[in-house]
Amino acid sequence: GAVVSQHPSRVICKSGTSVKIECRSLDFQATTMFWYRQFPKQSLMLMATSNEGSKATYEQGVEKDKFLINHASLTLSTLTVTSAHPEDSSFYICSARRPGRKNEKLFFGSGTQLSVL
Amino acid sequence: KQEVTQIPAALSVPEGENLVLNCSFTDSAIYNLQWFRQDPGKGLTSLLLIQSSQREQTSGRLNASLDKSSGRSTLYIAASQPGDSATYLCAVIVNAGNMLTFGGGTRLMVKP
Repeated sequence: GAVVSQHPSRVICKSGTSVKIECRSLDFQATTMFWYRQFPKQSLMLMATSNEGSKATYEQGVEKDKFLINHASLTLSTLTVTSAHPEDSSFYICSARRPGRKNEKLFFGSGTQLSVL
Repeated sequence: KQEVTQIPAALSVPEGENLVLNCSFTDSAIYNLQWFRQDPGKGLTSLLLIQSSQREQTSGRLNASLDKSSGRSTLYIAASQPGDSATYLCAVIVNAGNMLTFGGGTRLMVKP
């Protein structure tokens, strides 16, 4: 089955630093990837849609200057949390869709637990 | 705007019981519905995907049904085991872009 790799799985950083999270589709090319955020005991919330070769589409309330998304290749999307603060501490998950398969289930990374001190 | 609701929010049952998790959505114009399992601090595991034209899907002890007209889906777990303890999320895909709208999840605890 299709595999999506997300790295790192856990990161602890000081307030004010930037953190980069990578999402890779290992055995297929993903023209579209999605980034979700999950706070404790809450459901996942879509942050942004990442399209290869173009600007990401952000959901309402998500600061695009704070959460930088780059989808420079068909197998890699990155989410950079800039100048992270404790309120950014959360669980971040990416997902990817194989092109040409609109009605197929999405494949998810294993998630990144971000803790900002 | 599509909204997805899951009931109950939490459920505790003794081992061996059959149980039903409920999911409802407000807009019946969906492409498909997907059930996930999430263990604490972990990513998502896809359990079942039901296409909009289907009424149910089965995998092992799991059976998911879909009633688009009423905006409902159920996940049936037969003969529950302690290893089934996790949060179960349902999500619908609302357009061709494949963005998922998630429910709030049901936290299941199966006691030995």
